[in-house]
Amino acid sequence: EAGVAQSPRYKIIEKRQSVAFWCNPISGHATLYWYQQILGQGPKLLIQFQNNGVVDDSQLPKDRFSAERLKGVDSTLKIQPAKLEDSAVYLCASSLDRTGTLHFGNGTRLTVT
Amino acid sequence: AQSVTQLGSHVSVSEGALVLLRCNYSSSVPPYLFWYVQYPNQGLQLLLKYTTGATLVKGINGFEAEFKKSETSFHLTKPSAHMSDAAEYFCAVSGENSGYSTLTFGKGTMLLVSP
Repeated sequence: EAGVAQSPRYKIIEKRQSVAFWCNPISGHATLYWYQQILGQGPKLLIQFQNNGVVDDSQLPKDRFSAERLKGVDSTLKIQPAKLEDSAVYLCASSLDRTGTLHFGNGTRLTVT
Repeated sequence: AQSVTQLGSHVSVSEGALVLLRCNYSSSVPPYLFWYVQYPNQGLQLLLKYTTGATLVKGINGFEAEFKKSETSFHLTKPSAHMSDAAEYFCAVSGENSGYSTLTFGKGTMLLVSP
């Protein structure tokens, strides 16, 4: 089966600019996650979707971050405006069951200068 | 709420030596426990998981982990390290969130393997 697809792989922007990341989960996986991984740390959940509904966005900085999953398939994560501390790898993952087994994409490495 | 503590941000072993990566968890509900591995510039890949049943879990690449409820631990081991095992390893715990599973990760342990 095809894995989780993410684009772009790398992005460099200046602070106060905007950026968007795209994710296409494994076909049939209803649950989609966006994680932020800062260098030297474990992934931190930003938002979790079940189909096209939000299950958990408690750690999403809603003043600058937004995410959508239209039609319950692919998803977009946006940052506007970006700050230096947003420099991180943004990982998308999807899952089929409720045991928490996640399938990850290769991530988008964001550098904010 | 769940949390994970991984002891040691870096572990160094020689090729052929025993690998032991430590993980302790906290969970208010019976946990599902996971070990994921991350190679440079890649996403995370599942090594093994514990859900219910047998407490000794075998995973890919010769790794295994034992769930010890009394110690709230889920340490990862491999009898003999290979150079290809050099990567970052993350322990994670899953808990129900509005009826759907949410994974909480530890900070990771970088495994360094020397010849």
